[in-house]
Amino acid sequence: QQQVKQSPQSLIVQKGGISIINCAYENTAFDYFPWYQQFPGKGPALLIAIRPDVSEKKEGRFTISFNKSAKQFSLHIMDSQPGDSATYFCAASPAGTYKYIFGTGTRLKVLA
Amino acid sequence: SQTIHQWPATLVQPVGSPLSLECTVEGTSNPNLYWYRQAAGRGLQLLFYSVGIGQISSEVPQNLSASRPQDRQFILSSKKLLLSDSGFYLCAWSVHYEQYFGPGTRLTVT
Repeated sequence: QQQVKQSPQSLIVQKGGISIINCAYENTAFDYFPWYQQFPGKGPALLIAIRPDVSEKKEGRFTISFNKSAKQFSLHIMDSQPGDSATYFCAASPAGTYKYIFGTGTRLKVLA
Repeated sequence: SQTIHQWPATLVQPVGSPLSLECTVEGTSNPNLYWYRQAAGRGLQLLFYSVGIGQISSEVPQNLSASRPQDRQFILSSKKLLLSDSGFYLCAWSVHYEQYFGPGTRLTVT
């Protein structure tokens, strides 16, 4: 069964620090890797995404690092702010489909 | 710009009652549509997805069903709710790879 394993389950970071969330997958037939941010009671919002032919993508304070050989990808939030406190989900899309398989989520808390 | 609507926002239903949740998308044509369920503090489970009118794929066998009567309308239904159907139901749309989620419906089955 295709799975995406996400860690850590929860994360506490000081304001201004770097938040790092990791995801790993087993099936190599994924061709799109998005990250979502979800606030309590709201729908997830697309943050940033990457294709496997790119090793890194940066948008503002958010960076995805992708390691194809290790089958891992991670989200880095630079200069973390209290407003970044939310749950973050990684996902992977099986090639040839527009479906996603989601990780289990990471609850991030940024202390002021 | 594209907008996705879901209603109702919250719903409390007794066990054994029927269910109908509606999702509509504006500002795009022929989107892929998705229903997800999110249990409290958990990840997102894909329930159904649709690539066109009347075309529904089920990902998880259960007592829920989905229909797509119009291009931008997606409906989640149940004839008899179970306690285990409680959760946060999310509709999403995509044209290519990016999926965009609606605000969700919080369903509590009592």
